Amino acid sequence: GENVEQHPSTLSVQEGDSAVIKCTYSDSASNYFPWYKQELGKRPQLIIDIRSNVGEKKDQRIAVTLNKTAKHFSLHITETQPEDSAVYFCAASRGDSSYKLIFGSGTRLLVRP
Amino acid sequence: GAGVSQSPRYKVAKRGQDVALRCDPISGHVSLFWYQQALGQGPEFLTYFQNEAQLDKSGLPSDRFFAERPEGSVSTLKIQRTQQEDSAVYLCASSPLRAWEGQPQHFGDGTRLSIL
Repeated sequence: GENVEQHPSTLSVQEGDSAVIKCTYSDSASNYFPWYKQELGKRPQLIIDIRSNVGEKKDQRIAVTLNKTAKHFSLHITETQPEDSAVYFCAASRGDSSYKLIFGSGTRLLVRP
Repeated sequence: GAGVSQSPRYKVAKRGQDVALRCDPISGHVSLFWYQQALGQGPEFLTYFQNEAQLDKSGLPSDRFFAERPEGSVSTLKIQRTQQEDSAVYLCASSPLRAWEGQPQHFGDGTRLSIL
């Protein structure tokens, strides 16, 4: 079935460095790719999303890139801050029912002060 | 309220008991979703409502799981004869439009269900 693979599972960076999280998806008909940030015991919060007709999207320190041919997309966080520490989830919509999101297994990001 | 509200935040039940989890979506949101999130994993889709109509329940693990949204706003997820494997965080999300195309989903804080 459709799946989304995410890596790395954990990522530790020094404050001010960049962080990159990568995801691959299997359903070539997927057309919507959101990223969520989840702090411990809190709700997943949408931080950025991209649709399949766009290759890159940026919002301040956060950017997402999409390569439809290779079926992978990445989250880039620049100038990381300790408050960026959280678990990040990528997701891809299913091609046959695009409201249905398939989530990756998450990346635990730790930003060291 | 400004966001999706879920209650209770924590629920402990004995195996075999029935539980009911409530979701108050953002006012006016047409689409409502339920997800199950196991420890250390991403959310997994359970079911989708457009207004009061349950259009997709393909993710419900068994017939012990039942969801409703009778008036197109508040939704309840019910689990009958709970089992230990039902222990998880149950997340509710809502979107303002009909979800024919992928669109941002706004999540609640979830209900952490523990089955003893």
